[in-house]
This record gives sequence, C-alpha cells and structure tokens, in this order.
Amino acid sequence: QSVLTQPPSVSAAPGQKVTISCSGSSSNFGDNFVSWYQQFPGTAPKLLIYDNNKRPSGIPDRFSGSKSGTSATLDITGLQTGDEADYYCGTWDSSLSAGEFGGGTKLTVL
Amino acid sequence: QVTLKESGPTLVKPTQTLTLTCTFSGFSLSTSGVAVGWIRQPPGKALEWLALIYWDDDKRYSPSLKSRLTITKDTSENQVVLTMTNMDPVDTATYYCAHFDWLLEAFDIWGQGTMVTVSS
Repeated sequence: QSVLTQPPSVSAAPGQKVTISCSGSSSNFGDNFVSWYQQFPGTAPKLLIYDNNKRPSGIPDRFSGSKSGTSATLDITGLQTGDEADYYCGTWDSSLSAGEFGGGTKLTVL
Repeated sequence: QVTLKESGPTLVKPTQTLTLTCTFSGFSLSTSGVAVGWIRQPPGKALEWLALIYWDDDKRYSPSLKSRLTITKDTSENQVVLTMTNMDPVDTATYYCAHFDWLLEAFDIWGQGTMVTVSS
C-alpha cells in the first residue's frame, strides 16, 4: 500500500478540467518537492511536473501542479482523449531517506 | 540525449537472486547531482520505488526491501546494477531504471523497463 494517497480514478469530459490529488505527511511533503508522472499502458512513466509546479520542456501548460501543506494536486485543463492515462505523484521521505510514489490515478476522458 | 536500458533475466525461480543491469548513455554518474534509481511495477499495480545511487556512491533503499536489495555502479561502463535476493512470485513486475536529477528531485528520464517473472 502506497504512503502517498491518490484517488483510484477520475473522469471528465473532453475540454473540461480535472484535478488529481495526492495526500502525504509532514515527513514527505514537509520539506520535499512533489513530482508527477504520466503513464500510458505498456509504456514507461514520463515526468510531467517537478518541483511541485514546474514543467519539463515539451509538457503543455494544460498540465499544472501545486502543493500546500501535506497535499499536492495535478490539474489538467482542456482535457483531450489522448490524456487518458495513469498519473502518479512522487516525492522524497526525509524520515525514511527514500523515495515514494502514490497509488496512481486512472484518468478517463468521457 | 539521455537514454537508459534495463537488461536481465525474464524468468527467475523462487528463492533465486535477481540481477538487473541498467546501461545508460548521455550522462556520467560521476557528475555532481546525478543519480540513477530503480522502480518496479507489478502487473496492473502502482509504481514502487526501490533504490537510488548517487554520483558520490551514496545509496538509498526502500525500507521494506532494504534487506534484499543492493545497488552498485560502474562509472567507467556507464552501468548501474540492482540485485534482489530471495525472489518470490510477488516480485513479478516490470523493473525500470531512471535518471534522477538531484535539483529536480525527480526521475526525468526512464528506461523502457524489463519484465521479470518469478515462477518455478
């Protein structure tokens, strides 16, 4: 069972906005950055967001992240059918000196 | 261009030791701030963080698997090796290696993954 808690699934219509949450604790979110990954079936994860809210080159600004206290969110606006994927949050746990991932959220674009 | 590729057995028997090799290019593990990690994903399940090795040979392990894991690097060969002892069917998963950027605190480039099945 993952230490970071994500909803198993979210859904929304094309063009709409969806928010995926990631809940942690003070030992992981307290002093550490959150990253988000997108994974399509049968492929490796891809970095979407790092440092809580920064996008790597090539990631559309439809994807945005934020962190507040022991929670983080990934927002996706202007949903497209091509956004259907699994999304994972990740961070470092200072007390464990190890990384962690959330349980993943499956996004369905209706 | 940074690339990573995992290699190793596709099938191991219970109680055996798994050895996986990550061969990378486009960066050096002797460069400050660079690390390579291993992550696995059982079929249909979530990502699980396993281990990380830094440019200065500092190593970090998943607390729940620490007793079974060893991560090492060969800087001259641009390789990182992960060994996992006492394999069990629950260890069946796709194993990924990935480049970790210390400043980004994220895995920014991933290998394609290698599927390992544990079965007698």
